[in-house]
Amino acid sequence: DAGVTQSPTHLIKTRGQQVTLRCSPKSGHDTVSWYQQALGQGPQFIFQYYEEEERQRGNFPDRFSGHQFPNYSSELNVNALLLGDSALYLCASTKTGGSYWGNQPQHFGDGTRLSIL
Amino acid sequence: DAKTTQPNSMESNEEEPVHLPCNHSTISGTDYIHWYRQLPSQGPEYVIHGLTSNVNNRMASLAIAEDRKSSTLILHRATLRDAAVYYCILRDAIGYSGAGSYQLTFGKGTKLSVIP
Repeated sequence: DAGVTQSPTHLIKTRGQQVTLRCSPKSGHDTVSWYQQALGQGPQFIFQYYEEEERQRGNFPDRFSGHQFPNYSSELNVNALLLGDSALYLCASTKTGGSYWGNQPQHFGDGTRLSIL
Repeated sequence: DAKTTQPNSMESNEEEPVHLPCNHSTISGTDYIHWYRQLPSQGPEYVIHGLTSNVNNRMASLAIAEDRKSSTLILHRATLRDAAVYYCILRDAIGYSGAGSYQLTFGKGTKLSVIP
């Protein structure tokens, strides 16, 4: 049973460019969340998708956008890249059926390491 | 979400038990206590969660204080593979339907070093 898979594993971009990161959730999961983790910090919540809609968003600018597909996979897009966007981007999935309960664990992928030059 | 306080770092000898503390003095009656860990170069991994009673699973045990203002993650025999950052996170147990919220709020966690 495959867990959460993310691609690519590493990516190098320059300032001002745009990037798309991809995530396939764990089999049977329907909700995908994205997190940004700067070096030495804990992950920070970007947004969450369920039924192809953004359900909740953290404190990130509109340059960060996403999409969820009918097969539950998801993309994270970042426009006009800044040096400060260099980070590990994590995708997490869970099965919610639209209802969110405090005892539901999230399953994380190993992330995409994005470096901005 | 209510905040948690953890030591920045801890050390343990291999094959000895490890007790990782977490303080959450402002916990509400409906908050679950979750623990995740992050091994080097990997994403966070769910370890265990509990509400009021102590919990055991194949990875660890979770001891919750009677007043729920603190908890301890117990690794019974530390191995080199347990070297990681451990995060203690509170999650509201009340469910939401429709456009609900389910984000995890991470702090800096406790970096556990295991000495061979």
